[in-house]
Amino acid sequence: NAGVMQNPRHLVRRRGQEARLRCSPMKGHSHVYWYRQLPEEGLKFMVYLQKENIIDESGMPKERFSAEFPKEGPSILRIQQVVRGDSAAYFCASSPTLNDYEQYFGPGTRLTVT
Amino acid sequence: AQSVTQLDSHVSVSEGTPVLLRCNYSSSYSPSLFWYVQHPNKGLQLLLKYTSAATLVKGINGFEAEFKKSETSFHLTKPSAHMSDAAEYFCVVSDTTSGTYKYIFGTGTRLKVLA
Repeated sequence: NAGVMQNPRHLVRRRGQEARLRCSPMKGHSHVYWYRQLPEEGLKFMVYLQKENIIDESGMPKERFSAEFPKEGPSILRIQQVVRGDSAAYFCASSPTLNDYEQYFGPGTRLTVT
Repeated sequence: AQSVTQLDSHVSVSEGTPVLLRCNYSSSYSPSLFWYVQHPNKGLQLLLKYTSAATLVKGINGFEAEFKKSETSFHLTKPSAHMSDAAEYFCVVSDTTSGTYKYIFGTGTRLKVLA
């Protein structure tokens, strides 16, 4: 069973461009979480999605950030008009059920905004 | 609100000596607690988890943690450090109050192992 997959692993964008980060959860997992790790900091929750639904986006910045988890295909975290402060590692985690507690993490996407 | 506090941002030990990484939690409910390890520029690997079963939890690579309700602590220990243990360690509580089980991370402890 393949683990959680994220791509790209590294992404460089110029200020003002768009960044799209993809996450394929483990097979059979229908719960996806996105976390952001700023340099030299811990991870912070951004958004929790189930298939076709955003359940909790309380950690998402109000502007420029959006997320989706369509019926088919990976979950996407989209950042529009990136700024230098968006440079961070973005991790996706998946869980098979809501009561399983344990989340399985992908390797992360490291976004650099120049 | 649930939270975790990692008491040391950096810990240095000599190879072969014990490791102690401290974590205190705050929760009105019986918490689900985890320790994850992150090697440089890598993802997160689960070391162990506590979900209200045995209070002494054994994990991978010789790590273990003890849940102490009276002290609201969940410290991570290892009897003998290895060079490969050098990494960042995160104590995590699962937010069971919101119904989402999102993770709340501590600020991390960077473990340095000296030869």
